[in-house]
Amino acid sequence: DAGITQSPRHKVTETGTPVTLRCHQTENHRYMYWYRQDPGHGLRLIHYSYGVKDTDKGEVSDGYSVSRSKTEDFLLTLESATSSQTSVYFCATTGESNQPQHFGDGTRLSIL
Amino acid sequence: AQRVTQPEKLLSVFKGAPVELKCNYSYSGSPELFWYVQYSRQRLQLLLRHISRESIKGFTADLNKGETSFHLKKPFAQEEDSAMYYCALGDTPLVFGKGTRLSVIA
Repeated sequence: DAGITQSPRHKVTETGTPVTLRCHQTENHRYMYWYRQDPGHGLRLIHYSYGVKDTDKGEVSDGYSVSRSKTEDFLLTLESATSSQTSVYFCATTGESNQPQHFGDGTRLSIL
Repeated sequence: AQRVTQPEKLLSVFKGAPVELKCNYSYSGSPELFWYVQYSRQRLQLLLRHISRESIKGFTADLNKGETSFHLKKPFAQEEDSAMYYCALGDTPLVFGKGTRLSVIA
């Protein structure tokens, strides 16, 4: 869907380690988003980007940072992972801000 | 503030029964509204959007500005409709509801 690839698809790591998730898109979409999905909370926006080097915080940005050095890649970094960041992470993209978002397959992250 | 409310976390219906998944929104302008569906362990997919006024997989949704609602309906539920459904409001960025899990019982 919209050529969105998330990597890795699964990761298990230990508390305190840094983790970087990658979202790659081939549609030249301007907007890119990172969400986490947790039972009872639905989808919550972590950070989003509205262009290269332009990013903004979402609802649950604490403990996360992002970077977008080129249109096709949006990186999500957990500087020092905690168990509360165990979740499924979804990347999404769209060409215009009020248009439907296209989602990646998700990354299942477990922090022990 | 923009907000989307899906009051039901879980909705169980029997196969062949009508389905209505509720969505209410809070928005000061003219809203763009969407329904997304997520089948088990898959990515979210766009199901429909209000401006297209089309029916996808037998589902329809009508925007009611007076009641600020965008409920998703299907006259006869099928087992394959079992999934997580999210209502979303088109703002910058999109605002999602917390989702409703639909379970269709055979």
